Amino acid sequence: SQKIEQNSEALNIQEGKTATLTCNYTNYSPAYLQWYRQDPGRGPVFLLLIRENEKEKRKERLKVTFDTTLKQSLFHITASQPADSATYLCALFNDMRFGAGTRLTVKP
Amino acid sequence: EADIYQTPRYLVIGTGKKITLECSQTMGHDKMYWYQQDPGMELHLIHYSYGVNSTEKGDLSSESTVSRIRTEHFPLTLESARPSHTSQYLCASSAGGRNGELFFGEGSRLTVL
Repeated sequence: SQKIEQNSEALNIQEGKTATLTCNYTNYSPAYLQWYRQDPGRGPVFLLLIRENEKEKRKERLKVTFDTTLKQSLFHITASQPADSATYLCALFNDMRFGAGTRLTVKP
Repeated sequence: EADIYQTPRYLVIGTGKKITLECSQTMGHDKMYWYQQDPGMELHLIHYSYGVNSTEKGDLSSESTVSRIRTEHFPLTLESARPSHTSQYLCASSAGGRNGELFFGEGSRLTVL
């Protein structure tokens, strides 16, 4: 069966640094991975999708990469701000299952 | 802003009651989903539908049922609520397409006493 994992439950960084979050998956090819942001008490909000044949996707300060050998996607937030503090989720577009999420805290 | 609505936002009920959580979207999306999420925990897919008269169970045995009689409406029903059903229930819809972006409602927070 498919599996999608986010290895870090929480990540604390200083404002201005780059946050890097990891998502690993198994058993789907081709794989399409989505990234979402979720604030407390709210539903997730879609950020980006990356396909297996795409090495990188960018949107403003967000960058997503895909390593098909490792079956891993990395999600980067550059020049992080306290307003970026939230839980970030990855999901397999193939079947709409989500990882457990990584709670990011950006300290001023 | 996504046009997907859930009611009620908050509900406190006693054990054994029947409840229906409503979910409606005005975007004409064929795909709709129900997720269950405890505070600070991961999302679990409990039901999904790819169109009218199509419903499937997800991963979590939530003892709930769904129906899809109209494209825009995807209600979730608990025939006999129990304290273990206390959770947040999130409804989502998607047009599929290139990104398959899910649009989520604000959620229904259920407490069963």
